[in-house]
Amino acid sequence: SQKIEQNSEALNIQEGKTATLTCNYTNYSPAYLQWYRQDPGRGPVFLLLIRENEKEKRKERLKVTFDTTLKQSLFHITASQPADSATYLCALGDTGFQKLVFGTGTRLLVSP
Amino acid sequence: NAGVMQNPRHLVRRRGQEARLRCSPMKGHSHVYWYRQLPEEGLKFMVYLQKENIIDESGMPKERFSAEFPKEGPSILRIQQVVRGDSAAYFCASSPPGPRGNSPLHFGNGTRLTVT
Repeated sequence: SQKIEQNSEALNIQEGKTATLTCNYTNYSPAYLQWYRQDPGRGPVFLLLIRENEKEKRKERLKVTFDTTLKQSLFHITASQPADSATYLCALGDTGFQKLVFGTGTRLLVSP
Repeated sequence: NAGVMQNPRHLVRRRGQEARLRCSPMKGHSHVYWYRQLPEEGLKFMVYLQKENIIDESGMPKERFSAEFPKEGPSILRIQQVVRGDSAAYFCASSPPGPRGNSPLHFGNGTRLTVT
């Protein structure tokens, strides 16, 4: 069955450093991958989408890579800030409608 | 432009009662999705609807759960005869019409259902 793995342990980093979160998947060939941010008690908020034929995508301080050979995506936040503290979810999808398969998320804590 | 609105935010039901969760998609969005999130688990797809049509309900439990998205009004997720295992956060998301795969999902802030 399809499986998405995100580091279940919280990632603690200092303000100003680059945070790198990992998303690995098996038994799946997604057409695209999305990253979302979720704060406690709130719904996920879309951050970035990257397609299978794209290696890298950037948006302001965010960067996503997608390696379909390794079946892995890396999500980077540069110059991290305490306000970046949240849980980050990766989600995989096929062409067609948006039946996204979500990972369990990694909690990021940025200390001042 | 209001986002996806879900209500109630919190719902407490006793075992055996019915739970009705409502979702109003973003303006201009005609596709609605329901996801369930259990503690320490990821979001799990339940059902995908368009106006008056269920497109995919492969994630819905076979019994007690139903969903609709009428021509007028919000989408409703209905859980009959709730059990403690139904306690979870239920999220609704919407997306605009058009080719899929390019649009992110816009989520509401969820309904937290507690079954006592």
